[in-house]
Amino acid sequence: DAKTTQPTSMDCAEGRAANLPCNHSTISGNEYVYWYRQIHSQGPQYIIHGLKNNETNEMASLIITEDRKSSTLILPHATLRDTAVYYCIVRESFGNEKLTFGTGTRLTIIP
Amino acid sequence: DAGVIQSPRHEVTEMGQEVTLRCKPISGHNSLFWYRQTMMRGLELLIYFNNNVPIDDSGMPEDRFSAKMPNASFSTLKIQPSEPRDSAVYFCASSLRQGSTDTQYFGPGTRLTVL
Repeated sequence: DAKTTQPTSMDCAEGRAANLPCNHSTISGNEYVYWYRQIHSQGPQYIIHGLKNNETNEMASLIITEDRKSSTLILPHATLRDTAVYYCIVRESFGNEKLTFGTGTRLTIIP
Repeated sequence: DAGVIQSPRHEVTEMGQEVTLRCKPISGHNSLFWYRQTMMRGLELLIYFNNNVPIDDSGMPEDRFSAKMPNASFSTLKIQPSEPRDSAVYFCASSLRQGSTDTQYFGPGTRLTVL
């Protein structure tokens, strides 16, 4: 799997948009970008994934740069319940079902 | 759906004892994963199954660890004998492979403490 680089920690005010960056400069053409988060003492939770185009679902938006070397996860209106560790993972689309978790970004939502 | 079910949620045992962790995947899913999470090593994949067949066990730390999936609705991870360094949270996840991607859904985890 291609390696990803994320900031160790970030703070965001409650109600504001939280923008979490991820660098994946060695990503190859058939690799997807996945985002998971882990709230304290719980199992990781799937958020969103994408290949080339920007994606949006009920939880978040994923913006992938045109060269695909970086992406940003956007939580549009952060709440205290969004405090968690957020993992950006690059994963092959075929054959390899593994998720390789890095250290992630610890996001703290400030009241 | 109840999601991925793991039991027990907490296990405290003494060194040398056998430990069995259990997982029931989401109904209809065809892949099952066992992960381990520690402060030192983070979240790491131990083994995964596809259609009940072990596909990749390269993450299993040593022969003391074994995993089975006798049917599509049940899997076990066994540690025999257990050691203090096995203390960790063990997560089970399942997914349904559709086309080129799939989403893994994680259980609540089993917190294992080996004294």
